[in-house]
Amino acid sequence: NAGVMQNPRHLVRRRGQEARLRCSPMKGHSHVYWYRQLPEEGLKFMVYLQKENIIDESGMPKERFSAEFPKEGPSILRIQQVVRGDSAAYFCASSPRADSPLHFGNGTRLTVT
Amino acid sequence: AQKVTQAQTEISVVEKEDVTLDCVYETRDTTYYLFWYKQPPSGELVFLIRRNSFDEQNEISGRYSWNFQKSTSSFNFTITASQVVDSAVYFCALSGPPPNAGGTSYGKLTFGQGTILTVHP
Repeated sequence: NAGVMQNPRHLVRRRGQEARLRCSPMKGHSHVYWYRQLPEEGLKFMVYLQKENIIDESGMPKERFSAEFPKEGPSILRIQQVVRGDSAAYFCASSPRADSPLHFGNGTRLTVT
Repeated sequence: AQKVTQAQTEISVVEKEDVTLDCVYETRDTTYYLFWYKQPPSGELVFLIRRNSFDEQNEISGRYSWNFQKSTSSFNFTITASQVVDSAVYFCALSGPPPNAGGTSYGKLTFGQGTILTVHP
């Protein structure tokens, strides 16, 4: 059973471009979470999704950031008009039920130049 | 609000030494979960353990052991006979109750700042 798959592993974007980060949860997992690891802030929760629904987006910046988990396909974290402060490691996690341990992917390292 | 404190920013030991990583938490929930994750130099986050607030039994898994003490709000992690491969950043995390216990944000983990463990040969 493959683990949580995130791609790309590394992503470089210029200021003002869009970044799309993909996450395929483990087979049978319908709960997906996105976390961000900033250099000086540690790991912070961003958003929790179930298939086609956003359950909790209390950690998402109000602007430029959006997330989706469609019925078919991976979950996508989208950052529009990236700025240098968006440079971070973005981790996706999944679980089969709402009360199961979270299993994390390898992360996507976003660098904004 | 929930809070997790890992007071040790960095620990350096020599191989075969035992090492304990401290974790202290704050929460108003009566039902909660505690976790430890390992982040090796390659960057991924590896799940190590989950304990719920009603289970204070200590747990041992090979060279790893965990000591959960509700009275001091601590969930410490000990590595016995450390090895170079144990070098990593270790994170302690806390979550609220799951949906079947009335919670709505179980997967919204609050992480500590992490402890960088370096094991020298």
